[in-house]
Amino acid sequence: GAGVSQTPSNKVTEKGKYVELRCDPISGHTALYWYRQSLGQGPEFLIYFQGTGAADDSGLPNDRFFAVRPEGSVSTLKIQRTERGDSAVYLCASSQQGALAGELFFGEGSRLTVL
Amino acid sequence: AQSVTQLGSHVSVSEGALVLLRCNYSSSVPPYLFWYVQYPNQGLQLLLKYTSAATLVKGINGFEAEFKKSETSFHLTKPSAHMSDAAEYFCAVSARGSQGNLIFGKGTKLSVKP
Repeated sequence: GAGVSQTPSNKVTEKGKYVELRCDPISGHTALYWYRQSLGQGPEFLIYFQGTGAADDSGLPNDRFFAVRPEGSVSTLKIQRTERGDSAVYLCASSQQGALAGELFFGEGSRLTVL
Repeated sequence: AQSVTQLGSHVSVSEGALVLLRCNYSSSVPPYLFWYVQYPNQGLQLLLKYTSAATLVKGINGFEAEFKKSETSFHLTKPSAHMSDAAEYFCAVSARGSQGNLIFGKGTKLSVKP
C-alpha cells in the first residue's frame, strides 16, 4: 500500500496474555520505529530499526516487550504477560534511508486494551 | 536530555481567527524541531520542521513556526483558522546526530468554531 499499515487496529486481551502487533512500512523505507501513546500523552519512543537490526531499543520499558524485523520490512512488536498498564495505542512509523532524522511517516496505530 | 512542553492541552478559536499553539523545548545540543498533526482516525503527519536553515519555517496548509533560540520556543501559527484545521498538534524535538528518536510533547487539541 501507499502508507504504513498496522494490524490489528484494535486488540482486546486479558491480563497475562501474549500479544503481537504487526507493522508493514512504506515500501523502500529502511528505517522503522515503534512508539506508544497513552491517553492524554504524546507518542513515546520504544525502538528503532535500521534494516533488520535494532539500532536503538532504549525506549522498551522492560523485558516483556520485544520487537523483530527479520527481513528488513515488516516488523512485529511482541508483548508477553500483558498488564493493564500496557493499554495504549502502539504507533509504527517508517522513513527513508538518509532521510533527515525525524521525518517519519506514521500508521494509524494499534489500540491495545488489557482487561 | 531533550524535552518539550506544550502550553495548553486544548485551544479553541473561531473560524478566520489567528491560530497560536505554543511549544518550548529543552535541549543540551542544537535541536531539530518538528510539528506533527493528527486528524481524527488518521496517523500523525509532518506539518513542518526546523533543521537550522531559516528560523521561520513554512509548512503545509498555511502553517508556519519560528525558531527562537533565546526563548527556546518553536510556536506554531496560522493567520486564519479553517474548520478543517481541527485536530491534535504535537511538537517534537530530536537531538542532532540522533537516529530519529523524537521526544514529543503531550499535544494540543485545536477546536475551530464556526
